[in-house]
Amino acid sequence: DQQVKQNSPSLSVQEGRISILNCDYTNSMFDYFLWYKKYPAEGPTFLISISSIKDKNEDGRFTVFLNKSAKHLSLHIVPSQPGDSAVYFCAASGTGSGGSNYKLTFGKGTLLTVNP
Amino acid sequence: KAGVTQTPRYLIKTRGQQVTLSCSPISGHRSVSWYQQTPGQGLQFLFEYFSETQRNKGNFPGRFSGRQFSNSRSEMNVSTLELGDSALYLCASSLQDPLNEQFFGPGTRLTVL
Repeated sequence: DQQVKQNSPSLSVQEGRISILNCDYTNSMFDYFLWYKKYPAEGPTFLISISSIKDKNEDGRFTVFLNKSAKHLSLHIVPSQPGDSAVYFCAASGTGSGGSNYKLTFGKGTLLTVNP
Repeated sequence: KAGVTQTPRYLIKTRGQQVTLSCSPISGHRSVSWYQQTPGQGLQFLFEYFSETQRNKGNFPGRFSGRQFSNSRSEMNVSTLELGDSALYLCASSLQDPLNEQFFGPGTRLTVL
C-alpha cells in the first residue's frame, strides 16, 4: 500500500525552463510534506517543506504547492539549471492533529534531468 | 561541523548471517532515523530514536532492530539475513524531530549473497 506516489519515474527539461514534479498521497492524516533531492552516491538533502495550513511555500527558485482536496502536491523549479539534475523525493508525515509521529513516508522518487 | 557518518560504507554478507550498522549523528542532534532504499522503491522508514527511545517503527519484520546510545549514536541490526535485505541503508539526524530538516549520511550498501 503506497501512501505517497510519484507517478513519473523521470522528467527531462531544458535549462532555463520550469520543472514541475508531482506527488500524490492517499493518507488523509498526512499534514506535513517535504521534498528531498538526492545526487548519486550521496544521501538525500532537504529542499523545502509545507504544512497543510498553507497551500504554497516558496524558497528561491523552489516553490511547493499543496492541494489538500486533491491530495496532491507539486514542486516547481524555476528556472531549471543543469545542477538541479537529481532524484527528487516527496515525503509526508502527520497525525491529522498537527502533531508529529516522527515518521516520514517517502515516494519512490522522480529523476529530473536538466539539459543544457 | 561534521556531517552524519555511517560505517561501514559497504558490506557483503551471506544469507543467515547477521549484521550491525552504525550511525553517528551531527553533534547536538538527538533524533536519528533509519531508512532502507532498494531499487525501484523509495526510502522506506525503519525506525526513529530520540534520547535512547524508539518513538516510531516502520513495517519491517522483527529481524530488524535498532538502538540509540546516550551520546545519540545509533546502531541497527539485521538478523538472519535474506537476499531481499540487500539495499542501501540510510541514517538521518535532526535536532529533535525528523519533520524539521533531516541531514542524511551517505548510507551503507549491504549486499546479501
